[in-house]
Amino acid sequence: EVQLVESGGGLVQPGGSLRLSCVGSGFDFDNFAMTWVRQAPGKGLEWVSGISATAVSTYYADSVKGRFIISRDNSKNTLYLEMNSLRAEDTAVYYCAKMDTVAVVVTSTVDSWGQGTLVTVSS
Amino acid sequence: QSALTQPPSASGSPGQSVTISCTGTNSDVGGYNYVSWYQQHPGKAPKLIIYEVTKRPSGVPDRFSGSKSGNTASLTVSGLQAEDEADYYCSSYARSNIFYVFGTGTKVTVL
Repeated sequence: EVQLVESGGGLVQPGGSLRLSCVGSGFDFDNFAMTWVRQAPGKGLEWVSGISATAVSTYYADSVKGRFIISRDNSKNTLYLEMNSLRAEDTAVYYCAKMDTVAVVVTSTVDSWGQGTLVTVSS
Repeated sequence: QSALTQPPSASGSPGQSVTISCTGTNSDVGGYNYVSWYQQHPGKAPKLIIYEVTKRPSGVPDRFSGSKSGNTASLTVSGLQAEDEADYYCSSYARSNIFYVFGTGTKVTVL
C-alpha cells in the first residue's frame, strides 16, 4: 500500500521560509514522479510543483515560481518543498502526491495522496 | 491558466444519479484524453476515482463513470449512496505555462 507522510508545516511570518518533507513507502519511490498540491482553507485544489523520478526535470505554478524549490532524495524516499518569501496567500494544506509515471508528462496522473500538512502564513 | 469550471453543487436522492461537468479549453480538457476525477471527504485527502477520462482504479465502484465531449468532461455517479456525499474535483494536463490544472470543485449532497 502506498503511504505518503508529510511534515514540516506550521506558522510562519510573511517573508519567512519553511521546508516541507514527504516520506514515501509501499512503492519504488525512485521510479515515480512526485508533486505538491495545495488547498487553501475552504477552497479548491491548486497544483504547485512537480519533479521527475530522477529529479532532472522540475515544474512550478506561476504563483510560486522563483519562491519555491522542489527536490527529492531517493536514497531517503523523501520529497521536499522549500518555500521562501512566504505570503498570506500561501496559507494552505500542502499535499504530497505520487504520479503514475517516471517523468512529469502529459499522460501523468496523480494517483496517491498524503494526508497533508498545514502551512499558515501570518504575523 | 484558469481553473477548470465545475458547478458549485449537485444533489440527488439515494439510488438516483448525478452528473458533474468540468469545462476547460482546447489547451487542456479538449486537447487530451487525460482527465482525472478526485473525491474528497471533509478533512481528508483527495482520492483518485477516474483517470484517462473513463478508467477506474482498482477498488473504485463501477457506479462512478467518466466521459468527455469536446472541451467538457463529465463524472456520473449512479445509484447514489450516503458515502458519496463529498467534494469532487476534475483535473487535466494543461498545455500552457502551468502543467496541471484542477477544477473549481463540486459539492455533492445526498438528500
